[in-house]
Amino acid sequence: QVQLVESGGGVVQPGGSLRLSCAASGFTFSNYGMHWVRQAPGKGLEWVSFIRYDGSDNYYADSVKDRFTISRDNSKNTLYLQMNSLRAEDTALYYCAKDKGFCTGGMCIGGAYYMDVWGKGTTVTVSS
Amino acid sequence: EIVMTQSPATLSVSPGERATLSCRASQSVSSNLAWYQHKPGQAPRLLIYGASTRATGIPARFSGSGSATEFTLSISSLQSEDFAVYYCQQYNNWPPITFGQGTRLQIK
Repeated sequence: QVQLVESGGGVVQPGGSLRLSCAASGFTFSNYGMHWVRQAPGKGLEWVSFIRYDGSDNYYADSVKDRFTISRDNSKNTLYLQMNSLRAEDTALYYCAKDKGFCTGGMCIGGAYYMDVWGKGTTVTVSS
Repeated sequence: EIVMTQSPATLSVSPGERATLSCRASQSVSSNLAWYQHKPGQAPRLLIYGASTRATGIPARFSGSGSATEFTLSISSLQSEDFAVYYCQQYNNWPPITFGQGTRLQIK
């Protein structure tokens, strides 16, 4: 079945770094864009970043721009989020999510930029 | 940035009754709106996309309507498993993709 499993979360001091991973299975990873979405304690969902199916482009929320880097390895069916200069306000449960749109050969069909499969998340705590 | 505002923040409804959740966009998002269900400890679940199209496997008691700036998620005949937090999300004008703050649907 289609599955996303996040890992790499933990406790880190302010200013520190962490790299999250998301292992995908049950679908052709290289045909889909991927998102990171987070949920701070007691708060709602916040979109963090998106990467196109082939890694050719990526986008970020202003709150993480220039600190976080999204990437993917289609040969390993894995999505990454490199988080640098972490702040207390980055404390959250981080989800990876598959975009709905199917992409191949430079074209995407079936809609995109909403998430049809989500992982269960990995927790990041930024604290001294 | 398009701001999504959901109302009410909390909705109390009895099982078997109908629930109506609202989502308003600060500017038109056409029909580029999705709804998600989120239960504690679980992954969020896509319910509706394109404002009114049910995602795969979603029961017919869930329906979405609206366009431009006003949207509604309706759940007819509430089941026990429907009590959760619901989020709307716009994908018309991004980045950033934006979510509403959520509506908590609780048992009355």
